[in-house]
Amino acid sequence: EAGVTQSPTHLIKTRGQQATLRCSPISGHTSVYWYQQALGLGLQFLLWYDEGEERNRGNFPPRFSGRQFPNYSSELNVNALELEDSALYLCASSSTSGFNEQFFGPGTRLTVL
Amino acid sequence: EDKVVQSPLSLVVHEGDTVTLNCSYEVTNFRSLLWYKQEKKAPTFLFMLTSSGIEKKSGRLSSILDKKELFSILNITATQTGDSAIYLCLISYNTDKLIFGTGTRLQVFP
Repeated sequence: EAGVTQSPTHLIKTRGQQATLRCSPISGHTSVYWYQQALGLGLQFLLWYDEGEERNRGNFPPRFSGRQFPNYSSELNVNALELEDSALYLCASSSTSGFNEQFFGPGTRLTVL
Repeated sequence: EDKVVQSPLSLVVHEGDTVTLNCSYEVTNFRSLLWYKQEKKAPTFLFMLTSSGIEKKSGRLSSILDKKELFSILNITATQTGDSAIYLCLISYNTDKLIFGTGTRLQVFP
């Protein structure tokens, strides 16, 4: 069974640009979670989608947004990139909302120059 | 304010030692606590705890939750160099909130 996949593996952007990160959950999983892990910081919860709807978001500005598609894959969009957005972005999926084991993808390393 | 604190922040031991990692939390309407191991990128699942006092065990790793004192411990016995990683706890609470602890970095030397 394929695990959670994310693309791209690495992404380099300049300040002010937009970045789009993609995540495909494990087949049969309906919940997708996005986390940011900046250097020296822990995993910060970003967004949670379930059945196509945003269930909750962490303490991030509105320029962090996303969506979940009918096939349960998800996109994370970061607008007006800032240097401090440089981080590893991890996506996870679970079979039911929230309180079960989350399986993580390999992450996308975003570098903002 | 809801928070999750892990201790110690960092731990250096020799192979064969036993370590105890702590995850303390202050959240409203606790639902579950999950332990993860993060070596390079993707955290891998270790345990999920919802009930107090019931030990979960997998090989040399075990974990228990104390909902009265609001903490969980993760024990690793007979540590090996492959146990070197960051250990994270994730708390789910209220109906739809999630928060990770800051993690404990464990380094095991031969």
